[in-house]
Amino acid sequence: GQQVMQIPQYQHVQEGEDFTTYCNSSTTLSNIQWYKQRPGGHPVFLIQLVKSGEVKKQKRLTFQFGEAKKNSSLHITATQTTDVGTYFCAGPWAGNQFYFGTGTSLTVIP
Amino acid sequence: DSGVTQTPKHLITATGQRVTLRCSPRSGDLSVYWYQQSLDQGLQFLIQYYNGEERAKGNILERFSAQQFPDLHSELNLSSLELGDSALYFCASSRREGPRTGELFFGEGSRLTVL
Repeated sequence: GQQVMQIPQYQHVQEGEDFTTYCNSSTTLSNIQWYKQRPGGHPVFLIQLVKSGEVKKQKRLTFQFGEAKKNSSLHITATQTTDVGTYFCAGPWAGNQFYFGTGTSLTVIP
Repeated sequence: DSGVTQTPKHLITATGQRVTLRCSPRSGDLSVYWYQQSLDQGLQFLIQYYNGEERAKGNILERFSAQQFPDLHSELNLSSLELGDSALYFCASSRREGPRTGELFFGEGSRLTVL
C-alpha cells in the first residue's frame, strides 16, 4: 500500500493566500524531495532535504523536514497563479525504491 | 528540457496487445526509474535500473517487464494489455542510485491508451 501520505489531496485558494501541504511517512527517511507537476506536464524537482529539522527557502516557498525525519511540509506564501499544479513529496523507501507521495493538487483562483 | 527522452509520446492500442516504451536518460545518468500515473492519480513506482542492472522493484505487474541496455537507454514492455493499463508512463533518470539518489529528471512521458 501507499507508504507516503500527503494532505490535503486538493486545495483551492484565492490568489494571495498561503498554502501548505504535508507529507507523512510511516518510516524514517534518509532524505526527502519535493516535486511540482504542472497540469499536462511532468514532475520537476524543487528541493531535497536531508537533515533532521532542516528548513530551506526558495523565494515564496518554505520546505521543512521533521525532527524525526518522518514528515515534511511545503508552505507557499502569497500564492500566485503560476503556483498551480500538483506538489509531490518523494523519497527512498525500503532501500532503492523511490516512492512519491499521493500529491496535493493546488488551484489558485485569480 | 530535462534531457530525458521518451518515445512514443502517444500510443493507442487494443486490449491483449503488447507495447514497448523507450527512454533515453540524461547524458551521464546511470539510473533509470519507471513510473505509472493514471488519470488524476499519483506516481506509482514500477522499477529502477542502475548501469544495466535491476536495483529496485515496486508495484510492477508480472505482465510488465523492463531492461536497461549497455548504452543506458531503457525499455518498458507492457503485454496482455488491459483497459486499466491506460496511463501516463514516466521515465526518470539520476546520476546515482540508492537512498542518496539526488534529483530525478523526468521525461515528458508516454501516454498509453488501451481500447
